[in-house]
Amino acid sequence: DMKVTQMPRYLIKRMGENVLLECGQDMSHETMYWYRQDPGLGLQLIYISYDVDSNSEGDIPKGYRVSRKKREHFSLILDSAKTNQTSVYFCATPGPYFGPGTRLTVL
Amino acid sequence: QQKVQQSPESLIVPEGAMTSLNCTFSDSASQYFAWYRQHSGKAPKALMSIFSNGEKEEGRFTIHLNKASLHFSLHIRDSQPSDSALYLCAVSSASSGSWQLIFGSGTQLTVMP
Repeated sequence: DMKVTQMPRYLIKRMGENVLLECGQDMSHETMYWYRQDPGLGLQLIYISYDVDSNSEGDIPKGYRVSRKKREHFSLILDSAKTNQTSVYFCATPGPYFGPGTRLTVL
Repeated sequence: QQKVQQSPESLIVPEGAMTSLNCTFSDSASQYFAWYRQHSGKAPKALMSIFSNGEKEEGRFTIHLNKASLHFSLHIRDSQPSDSALYLCAVSSASSGSWQLIFGSGTQLTVMP
């Protein structure tokens, strides 16, 4: 069975701190995605990665950056986190098949 | 840019009822239409998808697509309490980019025993 993993599952940070969310997949998919989900807004696409070091902005990239140095790993980075970045973040592979999510709270 | 809207926002039905969920989209060039189900605290999971006009049935679930009306729907026959979840519709089109799905904001379904 295809598997998408995310770490950590829960994270609490203070405003201004840096945040690293990690995602892994075991099927060597070239394409990977980061979404965030907020009540009443559905799933919003933050970034797409088409392969190692080949990343593209999604619909809401502001305040985020990504890193993909190995095909199986895709990281989402928040430099100086803001309170409005409190959300649930999902990584996904084509299908899309979603990871279990990371619930991030920025205080 | 593609806009995807769902109705109703929330729905409560008794066990055994027929449930109908709606999704409208704005891009007439859209090519792929899907429904996802998300139980509380879990990741969304694909439920059904369709590419061309018409209906597709899988068990108690039927998806209906009318591209001319920019509308597709999900019907759940004999709704069960285990069907209680957030239902998300999603649409993909050339304007969305490669395999980029645009999601609606969801319908929260509660099936009362």
